[in-house]
Amino acid sequence: AQSVTQPDIHITVSEGASLELRCNYSYGATPYLFWYVQSPGQGLQLLLKYFSGDTLVQGIKGFEAEFKRSQSSFNLRKPSVHWSDAAEYFCAVSGGGYNKLIFGAGTRLAVHP
Amino acid sequence: DTGVSQNPRHKITKRGQNVTFRCDPISEHNRLYWYRQTLGQGPEFLTYFQNEAQLEKSRLLSDRFSAERPKGSFSTLEIQRTEQGDSAMYLCASSPPPGLGKEGGYTFGSGTRLTVV
Repeated sequence: AQSVTQPDIHITVSEGASLELRCNYSYGATPYLFWYVQSPGQGLQLLLKYFSGDTLVQGIKGFEAEFKRSQSSFNLRKPSVHWSDAAEYFCAVSGGGYNKLIFGAGTRLAVHP
Repeated sequence: DTGVSQNPRHKITKRGQNVTFRCDPISEHNRLYWYRQTLGQGPEFLTYFQNEAQLEKSRLLSDRFSAERPKGSFSTLEIQRTEQGDSAMYLCASSPPPGLGKEGGYTFGSGTRLTVV
């Protein structure tokens, strides 16, 4: 069965510190992987996506993610966190670029000044 | 591009009442998806349409739920005989057809928050 696991429910970092959010997926075929961010009361905004090619993907707002097939992981990173990055982050997997998305439970990020 | 529009933004209803939500996708998008998101969880897939055809329904979509997309434009999601467990955020998303170089270009609306009292 297709599934996404985000092991960290809450993460707190200091502003300016580096960030890594973990994502592990289970998918029988080649996965299409996504990271979304959601601010309170808002919809989901795409940060980045991976379909094929270079396993290190750059996204918006200074985020990047690395696809590691051997570990079934797609972790999100940012070298220096800003207070405005506080939000909930969702990893998702799909069987294609036009198929339904399967989401993880999310990681809530808090940023201390 | 005006984005995906969902109405209403909030709906409070009494248990047992029927409710209907509307989603207006981006005009050139042919696929439309409905998701449900409860507090502290990620969105869960409910159903999706390609044009006016409903191609897949999740087992989460009980008989009390029905979705339509007449003429392949806007979509409605109706919940009959609402229960407290239906309280959630209902998200709509749309995506463009293949061949435009926009694979994975899902756009989400801001959602309709349903509270059943």
